[in-house]
Amino acid sequence: EVQLEESGGGLVQPGGSLRLSCAASGFTFSSYAMSWVRQAPGKGLEWVSGISNSGGRTYYADSVKGRFTISRDNSKNTLYLQMNNLRVEDTALYYCAKLIGRDGYKDYFDYWGQGTLVTVSS
Amino acid sequence: QSVLTQPPSASGTPGQWVTISCSGSSSNIGSSYVYWYQHLPGTAPKLLIYKNNQRPSGVPDRFSGSKSGTSASLAISGLRSEDEADYYCAAWDDSLSGYVFGTGTEVTVL
Repeated sequence: EVQLEESGGGLVQPGGSLRLSCAASGFTFSSYAMSWVRQAPGKGLEWVSGISNSGGRTYYADSVKGRFTISRDNSKNTLYLQMNNLRVEDTALYYCAKLIGRDGYKDYFDYWGQGTLVTVSS
Repeated sequence: QSVLTQPPSASGTPGQWVTISCSGSSSNIGSSYVYWYQHLPGTAPKLLIYKNNQRPSGVPDRFSGSKSGTSASLAISGLRSEDEADYYCAAWDDSLSGYVFGTGTEVTVL
């Protein structure tokens, strides 16, 4: 059974940093691209970032480019999202999602985690 | 900011047919497959339709998808109370080099 468990969310002040983690199990983690998707309170889903199976290719939404960094450790079956210079508008529930292929583009998400809440507020 | 446009809400009585539209452009729906997700806020979204009209195993055949040009649709036939949820379309956008989601449609079963 595929399982994705996010952690690392919490309350942080504007301008602060936070690192999210996503522990994966039930599939060969190193064979699949992964992504982060978020949902702000009362808003819809927004894709944030993606990474290929090897970590060699990364993709970012314009709203987070230059502030967020996606990475993965295939030896630990874990996906990360380093978030720097956080803004109030980054407040959201952050989901980890598995893609069906290796590259991370023109693909789709077949499994999602339950999410971890990030609140940016002074 | 969502690039794909959906109606904010749709509703029907049990057993009725409901359709949800998703409007995009040549850089996303026009050049990519469309996917549909069912989502109850705070829970893991669920894949309903992939590659425009394919259903994953376990998804009832009451759900069907279609695509024409730069628009797509999700149809729910034989509406049931458990279908109450938010529904999102999604596609890869070549101009943005990223995924885009629809604005979301809340389905209510009256």
